[in-house]
This record gives sequence, C-alpha cells and structure tokens, in this order.
Amino acid sequence: EVQLAEFGGGLVQPGGSLRLSCAASGFTLSSCAMSWVRQAPGKGLEWVSSISSNGGSTSYADSVKGRFTISRDISENTVYLQMHSLRAEDTAVYYCTKYLGASGTSFRTFDCWGQGTLVTVSS
Amino acid sequence: DIQMTQSPSSLSASVGDRVTITCRASQSISNYLIWYQQKPGKAPKLLIFGASSLQSGVSSRFSGSGSGTDFTLTISSLQPEDFATYYCQQSDTIPLTFGGGTKVEIK
Repeated sequence: EVQLAEFGGGLVQPGGSLRLSCAASGFTLSSCAMSWVRQAPGKGLEWVSSISSNGGSTSYADSVKGRFTISRDISENTVYLQMHSLRAEDTAVYYCTKYLGASGTSFRTFDCWGQGTLVTVSS
Repeated sequence: DIQMTQSPSSLSASVGDRVTITCRASQSISNYLIWYQQKPGKAPKLLIFGASSLQSGVSSRFSGSGSGTDFTLTISSLQPEDFATYYCQQSDTIPLTFGGGTKVEIK
C-alpha cells in the first residue's frame, strides 16, 4: 500500500527555520515526482514545491522561492522540505504528495497525500 | 500564473440532489484539470483527473467534463458522505494552482 507520512512540524519564531520530512512506503521515490502542498488554517490549497523523479529538477512557488528547498534521500525513501526565514504567512498544514503518473494528464496530479504536519510561525 | 475560479463558493443541497460545481481557468489548460474532495481535518482525495477520468475506486456518481477554460464537476445523486469541500487544480503549467474551493453543505 502506498503511504506518505510527514514529520517535523511545530511552532517556530518568525525568521526561524524548520525541516519537514516525508517518509514514503509502498513505492520508491525514484519512480515518481513528489510535491509539497500547504493549507493555511481555514483556507484553500497552495502548491509549494515539486521535485522530479530523478531528483534533477525542482520547482517552487514564488511565495517560497529562495527560502524553501526540496530534496530527497533515495536510500531513506524520504522527501524533505527545508524552510528558512519563516514568516507568519507560512503558517499552514503541509502535505506531502506524489504524482499519479509521469506524463500526460496524470502528471502533476496528486493521487496520494500524507496526513499533513502543522507548521505555526509565531512569536 | 493561471488563476482558477470556482463557483459557487458554497452550496446547500439535499441527499439525492444532482450537484454541479464549475471551475474556470484564466487561460486555456486543455484538459489538464483535476478535482479533489476534502473533508474536515483530512487530506484531499483525488476524484477526477484529465478533466473527465475517474480515479480508481471513486464512485461513478462523480463525473467531470470540459476543456479549454471551463470545467464542471457533477455529483449525480448526492450521498451523505459527499458533504465536503471540492477543489479544482490545473496541472498544465507551473506554478500549479487551485481553485478557492466549493463547500457542499446539507440543506
């Protein structure tokens, strides 16, 4: 069974850093692209970042570019989101997701989501 | 960036009703349109991708249509477990963008 489990959320002060982890099981990261999507309290969904199946390509939302870094460890089958210079507006539940497929309309379609981890940026 | 606009933002309906939610893209996205369902406190669930392809395991009372800029999600006969918030997402272009959501409530 394909599963994703996020870890690492918590309370951090403005300007601080945090690293989120996403442990994947039931598939290997080398077989599909992965993403982080966030949801501020009571708000809608916002795509944050993606990493390609070979790890060679990454992309970011403008709101996090230069502050967040997505990476992965194939040996651990884990995806990471390193977050720096955190702001109050980064407060959200962060979901780890995987793409349904590698091409066509299944590409960039999120078919599996973790349970989410809450990041709260506050003094 | 491609803006995704959903309507209505909320609706009230009864069990057995036919429900239609629309999603409009600010530019053509061909059929790169996805629908998700989210219940309170839970992660979103994939319903439809490619505008009209039903994800494996999803009830056939859900259907999607449209191409270009205008898309529709239809629930043919609303069931108690369908009361939730529905989001559309375009997968045509980075940055990936979502609609604001449509909350389906019990009348």
